[in-house]
Amino acid sequence: GEDVEQSLFLSVREGDSSVINCTYTDSSSTYLYWYKQEPGAGLQLLTYIFSNMDMKQDQRLTVLLNKKDKHLSLRIADTQTGDSAIYFCAEDLSYNTDKLIFGTGTRLQVFP
Amino acid sequence: KAGVTQTPRYLIKTRGQQVTLSCSPISGHRSVSWYQQTPGQGLQFLFEYFSETQRNKGNFPGRFSGRQFSNSRSEMNVSTLELGDSALYLCASSLLGSGANVLTFGAGSRLTVL
Repeated sequence: GEDVEQSLFLSVREGDSSVINCTYTDSSSTYLYWYKQEPGAGLQLLTYIFSNMDMKQDQRLTVLLNKKDKHLSLRIADTQTGDSAIYFCAEDLSYNTDKLIFGTGTRLQVFP
Repeated sequence: KAGVTQTPRYLIKTRGQQVTLSCSPISGHRSVSWYQQTPGQGLQFLFEYFSETQRNKGNFPGRFSGRQFSNSRSEMNVSTLELGDSALYLCASSLLGSGANVLTFGAGSRLTVL
């Protein structure tokens, strides 16, 4: 079945690292994605990882994928107040379609 | 390059009415998809269009429909509105290649049904 779960809230101090976790149930994903949503805005793609990869680093962002456990994480280094937003993980189930299954979203709050 | 443009940004309707939302994709993007975002159900896929053809449809009642025009612009329509249709409706466009599905989202149309 298609189900993607995330914890609801995460609060971190500015300058610390944030780790947002995601679990999914469908093993046929080709890519897994992380999106960011700020208040009053649509979703912004942060990064994505191919399902055959274990890790991807992109500046302050590190994505880890454990395909055996169906676990995806996003680490944000040196978290800033501007990183405060809702973060969604998502999976696609095949190539050549824009249908994504989104997680429930994690609200990240960064305090000074 | 202009982003994905959705109109209107905000609208209020009453139960039983119908509503049409519009989406202009990024120039050159031929694939448009729609998502509904609510606090209770999160982000749910509505439908996807490519070259004026509906390629995929989510699990929504027939009151939800859409179409795509030859210039790739898309509209979605909801008839006989219910209170539960209050949501943020997000449109996304993509090049729909063979790699990652890189969607660019618009800011959304926030619909309130009274």
